[in-house]
Amino acid sequence: SQTIHQWPATLVQPVGSPLSLECTVEGTSNPNLYWYRQAAGRGLQLLFYSVGIGQISSEVPQNLSASRPQDRQFILSSKKLLLSDSGFYLCAWSKLAGIKNNEQFFGPGTRLTVL
Amino acid sequence: GNSVTQMEGPVTLSEEAFLTINCTYTATGYPSLFWYVQYPGEGLQLLLKATKADDKGSNKGFEATYRKETTSFHLEKGSVQVSDSAVYFCALSDPGGYNKLIFGAGTRLAVHP
Repeated sequence: SQTIHQWPATLVQPVGSPLSLECTVEGTSNPNLYWYRQAAGRGLQLLFYSVGIGQISSEVPQNLSASRPQDRQFILSSKKLLLSDSGFYLCAWSKLAGIKNNEQFFGPGTRLTVL
Repeated sequence: GNSVTQMEGPVTLSEEAFLTINCTYTATGYPSLFWYVQYPGEGLQLLLKATKADDKGSNKGFEATYRKETTSFHLEKGSVQVSDSAVYFCALSDPGGYNKLIFGAGTRLAVHP
């Protein structure tokens, strides 16, 4: 069966510090991968998605970047955090895009607080 | 553009009450529709889905029917439990592909004994 991991679970960082959040998927190959942010009391905002190694699409301009160095690894980064980067970050995967309208499977999330 | 609109919460119910959470959508083509649930401090879990008009998705006593004529996908449960307290998200598949999803803002449900 497939599982998705995220770490760390929680993180408190000062403004201006760097960020690296990691997501890995097990039990599948060639997944589509996604990063979402959920601000307090808000819905989900898609930040990035990836259909393959090294292929990253950004949905919104921001202070963050994403990378996919391996097939089942997805990393969210920032060089300098802003207060507005605080939120709950969720990684998700879905089956290869050749099959349309597949559901996404979510990781447990990382709660980031920028002070 | 494509979008999902959910009823605003919070929705507060007593145990064993009937639940309806409204969801309407705007989309081109024929998207799939989903309900996800998020328990406190956790990621999202797929609750149910429907891939074409008149399909009914069901799981754990929850149901939703894909109504193309009213562009709706309302979530219902006949008798809620305290353990159903969570945030519920309606979503549709983005016709642009890559299995992207467009989410509604979420509806918080609180069930009291």
